[in-house]
Amino acid sequence: DAGVIQSPRHEVTEMGQEVTLRCKLISGHNSLFWYRQTMMRGLELLIYFNNNVPIDDSGMPEDRFSAKMPNASFSTLKIQPSEPRDSAVYFCASIIGRTNTGELFFGEGSRLTVL
Amino acid sequence: AQSVTQLGSHVSVSEGALVLLRCNYSSSVPPYLFWYVQYPNQGLQLLLKYTTGATLVKGINGFEAEFKKSETSFHLTKPSAHMSDAAEYFCAVSTNFNKFYFGSGTKLNVKP
Repeated sequence: DAGVIQSPRHEVTEMGQEVTLRCKLISGHNSLFWYRQTMMRGLELLIYFNNNVPIDDSGMPEDRFSAKMPNASFSTLKIQPSEPRDSAVYFCASIIGRTNTGELFFGEGSRLTVL
Repeated sequence: AQSVTQLGSHVSVSEGALVLLRCNYSSSVPPYLFWYVQYPNQGLQLLLKYTTGATLVKGINGFEAEFKKSETSFHLTKPSAHMSDAAEYFCAVSTNFNKFYFGSGTKLNVKP
């Protein structure tokens, strides 16, 4: 079974541009988490969904960030407009529903550089 | 509220030496505890977890951790380090599998 798939793996963009990061969950998983990793702040939880519904978005930095989960297997994280301080590695992770063992399955991350 | 503190952002050991990575947690309810490993340019992978039952848990690659409630600790150990163990290690706590709080990570360097 394929793991969590993120795209793009690397993105370089200029300040002010819109950035969209994508995540495909493992089949059968029903919770999705978006994390941001930086040297300064470590791993930060941005938002998580359960059964496609956003449960907690208190970690989203500001209104420039938005996340959607249009169906059970796909999510996007959008930054508009992007700023240099948004440069980070963004991870999505999923967790199985009915037979939840507590294991988070991470994608390989999307490395974003905003110039 | 839950939180995790990892003592030492960098740990260096010689190949064959004991590995000890420290993790202390704070939780108002019984916690679930995890150790994840991150290799360069990859996502995090689960090493081991404590949910219920035996307090000494064994994970992949020879790692183990012991849940000590009285000390609010969940330190990660491996008797003999291997070069391939060089990575960053994260301790995490959760109480309901809905929200996971990660520590700041410890980078393990293994010297030949």
